[in-house]
Amino acid sequence: AQIVTQSQPEMSVQEAETVTLSCTYDTSESDYYLFWYKQPPSRQMILVIRQEAYKQQNATENRFSVNFQKAAKSFSLKISDSQLGDAAMYFCAYRRVNNAGNMLTFGGGTRLMVKP
Amino acid sequence: SAVISQKPSRDICQRGTSLTIQCQVDSQVTMMFWYRQQPGQSLTLIATANQGSEATYESGFVIDKFPISRPNLTFSTLTVSNMSPEDSSIYLCSVVRGFMNTEAFFGQGTRLTVV
Repeated sequence: AQIVTQSQPEMSVQEAETVTLSCTYDTSESDYYLFWYKQPPSRQMILVIRQEAYKQQNATENRFSVNFQKAAKSFSLKISDSQLGDAAMYFCAYRRVNNAGNMLTFGGGTRLMVKP
Repeated sequence: SAVISQKPSRDICQRGTSLTIQCQVDSQVTMMFWYRQQPGQSLTLIATANQGSEATYESGFVIDKFPISRPNLTFSTLTVSNMSPEDSSIYLCSVVRGFMNTEAFFGQGTRLTVV
Protein backbone atom coordinates (compact mmCIF):
# COMPACT_ATOMS: atom_id res chain seq x y z
CA ALA A 1 0.00 0.00 0.00
CA GLN A 2 1.12 3.50 -0.71
CA ILE A 3 1.38 6.03 2.06
CA VAL A 4 1.74 9.77 1.63
CA THR A 5 2.85 11.87 4.58
CA GLN A 6 2.77 15.62 4.99
CA SER A 7 4.50 16.47 8.25
CA GLN A 8 3.48 20.14 8.39
CA PRO A 9 -0.19 20.63 9.35
CA GLU A 10 0.19 24.40 8.99
CA MET A 11 2.67 26.77 7.41
CA SER A 12 2.83 30.53 7.29
CA VAL A 13 4.63 32.79 4.83
CA GLN A 14 4.94 36.50 4.33
CA GLU A 15 3.60 37.85 1.07
CA ALA A 16 6.31 37.90 -1.64
CA GLU A 17 8.46 35.43 0.30
CA THR A 18 9.21 31.80 -0.50
CA VAL A 19 7.83 28.78 1.31
CA THR A 20 8.47 25.04 0.99
CA LEU A 21 5.89 22.38 1.79
CA SER A 22 7.15 18.88 2.57
CA CYS A 23 5.86 15.52 1.40
CA THR A 24 7.23 12.02 1.74
CA TYR A 25 5.76 8.81 0.39
CA ASP A 26 6.29 5.12 0.57
CA THR A 27 6.00 2.77 -2.39
CA SER A 28 7.59 -0.32 -3.85
CA GLU A 29 6.84 0.81 -7.40
CA SER A 30 9.58 2.21 -9.61
CA ASP A 31 7.32 4.29 -11.81
CA TYR A 32 4.50 6.49 -10.58
CA TYR A 33 3.14 10.03 -10.61
CA LEU A 34 3.21 12.64 -7.88
CA PHE A 35 1.00 15.70 -7.64
CA TRP A 36 0.38 18.76 -5.56
CA TYR A 37 -3.22 19.91 -5.35
CA LYS A 38 -4.52 23.15 -3.89
CA GLN A 39 -7.89 23.36 -2.15
CA PRO A 40 -9.06 26.91 -1.38
CA PRO A 41 -12.11 27.57 0.82
CA SER A 42 -14.30 27.08 -2.25
CA ARG A 43 -13.50 23.33 -1.90
CA GLN A 44 -12.45 23.08 -5.55
CA MET A 45 -9.39 20.84 -5.94
CA ILE A 46 -6.93 22.50 -8.31
CA LEU A 47 -3.89 20.76 -9.76
CA VAL A 48 -0.79 22.82 -9.02
CA ILE A 49 1.98 20.66 -10.43
CA ARG A 50 2.77 17.07 -11.39
CA GLN A 51 5.93 14.99 -11.58
CA GLU A 52 6.55 11.73 -13.40
CA ALA A 53 8.88 9.51 -11.38
CA TYR A 54 10.89 8.47 -14.43
CA LYS A 55 11.85 12.09 -15.09
CA GLN A 56 14.92 13.31 -13.26
CA GLN A 57 14.21 16.96 -13.97
CA ASN A 58 12.12 18.71 -11.35
CA ALA A 59 8.79 20.04 -12.59
CA THR A 60 8.18 23.79 -12.65
CA GLU A 61 5.00 25.78 -13.21
CA ASN A 62 5.54 29.53 -12.99
CA ARG A 63 6.03 30.33 -9.26
CA PHE A 64 5.64 26.68 -8.27
CA SER A 65 8.44 24.13 -8.40
CA VAL A 66 9.17 20.79 -6.83
CA ASN A 67 12.23 19.13 -5.36
CA PHE A 68 11.81 15.46 -6.27
CA GLN A 69 14.23 13.15 -4.50
CA LYS A 70 13.32 9.65 -5.70
CA ALA A 71 15.79 7.72 -3.57
CA ALA A 72 14.65 9.55 -0.46
CA LYS A 73 10.98 9.33 -1.57
CA SER A 74 10.58 13.02 -0.99
CA PHE A 75 8.52 15.48 -3.03
CA SER A 76 8.49 19.03 -1.69
CA LEU A 77 6.69 22.03 -3.19
CA LYS A 78 8.31 25.44 -3.32
CA ILE A 79 6.15 28.51 -3.80
CA SER A 80 8.08 31.61 -4.76
CA ASP A 81 6.86 35.20 -4.49
CA SER A 82 3.90 34.07 -2.38
CA GLN A 83 0.61 35.81 -3.05
CA LEU A 84 -2.49 36.19 -0.88
CA GLY A 85 -4.35 33.94 -3.31
CA ASP A 86 -1.96 31.10 -2.51
CA ALA A 87 -3.58 30.71 0.91
CA ALA A 88 -5.26 27.29 0.88
CA MET A 89 -4.91 23.64 1.86
CA TYR A 90 -2.23 21.88 -0.14
CA PHE A 91 -2.36 18.14 -0.67
CA CYS A 92 0.42 15.93 -1.94
CA ALA A 93 -0.86 12.92 -3.90
CA TYR A 94 0.49 9.71 -5.43
CA ARG A 95 -0.78 7.66 -8.34
CA ARG A 96 0.36 4.33 -9.69
CA VAL A 97 1.15 3.84 -13.36
CA ASN A 98 -1.07 1.05 -14.61
CA ASN A 99 -4.48 0.51 -16.09
CA ALA A 100 -6.00 -1.09 -13.03
CA GLY A 101 -6.40 2.06 -11.04
CA ASN A 102 -5.92 5.73 -11.66
CA MET A 103 -7.04 6.76 -8.20
CA LEU A 104 -5.03 9.13 -6.06
CA THR A 105 -3.65 8.55 -2.56
CA PHE A 106 -3.53 11.83 -0.66
CA GLY A 107 -1.41 13.08 2.18
CA GLY A 108 -3.00 14.69 5.20
CA GLY A 109 -2.64 18.21 3.87
CA THR A 110 -0.85 21.41 4.86
CA ARG A 111 -2.74 24.61 5.52
CA LEU A 112 -0.81 27.54 4.06
CA MET A 113 -1.45 31.01 5.44
CA VAL A 114 -0.10 34.06 3.64
CA LYS A 115 0.45 37.20 5.68
CA PRO A 116 0.14 40.59 3.97
CA SER B 1 -9.56 19.95 -19.00
CA ALA B 2 -12.94 18.62 -17.88
CA VAL B 3 -15.91 20.56 -16.58
CA ILE B 4 -17.62 18.71 -13.77
CA SER B 5 -20.99 19.66 -12.36
CA GLN B 6 -21.70 18.18 -8.95
CA LYS B 7 -25.10 18.57 -7.32
CA PRO B 8 -26.16 19.48 -4.73
CA SER B 9 -23.36 21.75 -3.56
CA ARG B 10 -24.54 21.39 0.02
CA ASP B 11 -27.36 19.87 2.02
CA ILE B 12 -28.53 19.41 5.57
CA CYS B 13 -30.24 16.08 6.13
CA GLN B 14 -32.00 14.26 8.92
CA ARG B 15 -30.40 11.14 10.30
CA GLY B 16 -31.83 7.94 8.88
CA THR B 17 -32.52 9.46 5.47
CA SER B 18 -30.57 9.08 2.22
CA LEU B 19 -29.04 11.63 -0.15
CA THR B 20 -28.06 11.10 -3.77
CA ILE B 21 -25.24 13.20 -5.19
CA GLN B 22 -24.90 13.65 -8.93
CA CYS B 23 -21.75 14.11 -10.98
CA GLN B 24 -22.06 15.22 -14.61
CA VAL B 25 -19.03 15.64 -16.89
CA ASP B 26 -19.03 17.73 -20.05
CA SER B 27 -17.44 14.94 -22.12
CA GLN B 28 -16.79 11.20 -21.94
CA VAL B 29 -14.23 10.05 -19.42
CA THR B 30 -12.78 6.64 -18.72
CA MET B 31 -12.48 6.76 -14.95
CA MET B 32 -14.79 8.25 -12.33
CA PHE B 33 -14.14 8.20 -8.61
CA TRP B 34 -15.88 9.24 -5.42
CA TYR B 35 -13.90 10.63 -2.48
CA ARG B 36 -14.89 11.58 1.05
CA GLN B 37 -13.28 14.43 2.95
CA GLN B 38 -14.21 14.44 6.62
CA PRO B 39 -14.00 17.77 8.50
CA GLY B 40 -10.40 18.96 8.66
CA GLN B 41 -9.14 15.78 7.03
CA SER B 42 -7.67 14.69 3.72
CA LEU B 43 -9.46 12.94 0.89
CA THR B 44 -10.20 9.22 1.12
CA LEU B 45 -11.28 7.17 -1.86
CA ILE B 46 -14.71 5.59 -1.44
CA ALA B 47 -14.96 3.74 -4.73
CA THR B 48 -14.29 3.65 -8.44
CA ALA B 49 -17.49 4.01 -10.45
CA ASN B 50 -17.50 1.47 -13.27
CA GLN B 51 -19.66 2.03 -16.32
CA GLY B 52 -22.21 -0.72 -16.71
CA SER B 53 -21.06 -2.76 -13.72
CA GLU B 54 -20.81 -2.63 -9.95
CA ALA B 55 -18.50 -0.07 -8.42
CA THR B 56 -15.19 -1.13 -6.89
CA TYR B 57 -15.16 -0.18 -3.22
CA GLU B 58 -12.18 0.56 -1.03
CA SER B 59 -11.66 -1.06 2.33
CA GLY B 60 -14.10 0.31 4.88
CA PHE B 61 -16.78 1.26 2.36
CA VAL B 62 -19.67 -0.98 1.35
CA ILE B 63 -22.27 -0.91 -1.37
CA ASP B 64 -25.22 -0.98 1.01
CA LYS B 65 -24.08 2.27 2.62
CA PHE B 66 -22.73 4.01 -0.51
CA PRO B 67 -24.50 2.68 -3.60
CA ILE B 68 -23.02 4.07 -6.79
CA SER B 69 -24.37 4.14 -10.31
CA ARG B 70 -22.64 4.94 -13.57
CA PRO B 71 -25.02 4.46 -16.47
CA ASN B 72 -22.73 6.05 -19.09
CA LEU B 73 -19.33 7.68 -19.59
CA THR B 74 -20.39 11.16 -18.46
CA PHE B 75 -22.59 10.60 -15.39
CA SER B 76 -22.44 8.99 -11.97
CA THR B 77 -24.33 9.14 -8.70
CA LEU B 78 -23.32 8.41 -5.13
CA THR B 79 -25.99 7.75 -2.51
CA VAL B 80 -25.26 8.10 1.17
CA SER B 81 -27.79 5.78 2.82
CA ASN B 82 -29.28 5.69 6.30
CA MET B 83 -27.25 8.73 7.28
CA SER B 84 -25.82 9.43 10.72
CA PRO B 85 -23.92 12.51 11.97
CA GLU B 86 -20.67 10.63 11.26
CA ASP B 87 -21.46 10.88 7.55
CA SER B 88 -21.14 14.66 7.69
CA SER B 89 -18.37 15.32 5.18
CA ILE B 90 -17.52 16.77 1.81
CA TYR B 91 -18.06 14.29 -1.00
CA LEU B 92 -16.10 14.86 -4.20
CA CYS B 93 -16.43 13.41 -7.66
CA SER B 94 -13.21 13.02 -9.66
CA VAL B 95 -12.57 11.99 -13.26
CA VAL B 96 -9.65 10.92 -15.40
CA ARG B 97 -10.07 11.12 -19.15
CA GLY B 98 -8.16 8.01 -20.15
CA PHE B 99 -5.87 5.36 -18.75
CA MET B 100 -2.80 7.15 -20.05
CA ASN B 101 -3.89 10.55 -18.75
CA THR B 102 -2.24 11.70 -15.57
CA GLU B 103 -4.42 14.57 -14.46
CA ALA B 104 -7.49 14.04 -12.31
CA PHE B 105 -10.21 16.69 -12.33
CA PHE B 106 -12.55 17.30 -9.43
CA GLY B 107 -16.06 18.55 -8.96
CA GLN B 108 -16.65 21.35 -6.50
CA GLY B 109 -17.80 18.90 -3.86
CA THR B 110 -20.98 18.39 -1.86
CA ARG B 111 -20.94 19.53 1.75
CA LEU B 112 -23.24 17.21 3.68
CA THR B 113 -24.36 17.90 7.22
CA VAL B 114 -26.41 15.26 9.03
CA VAL B 115 -28.43 16.40 12.04
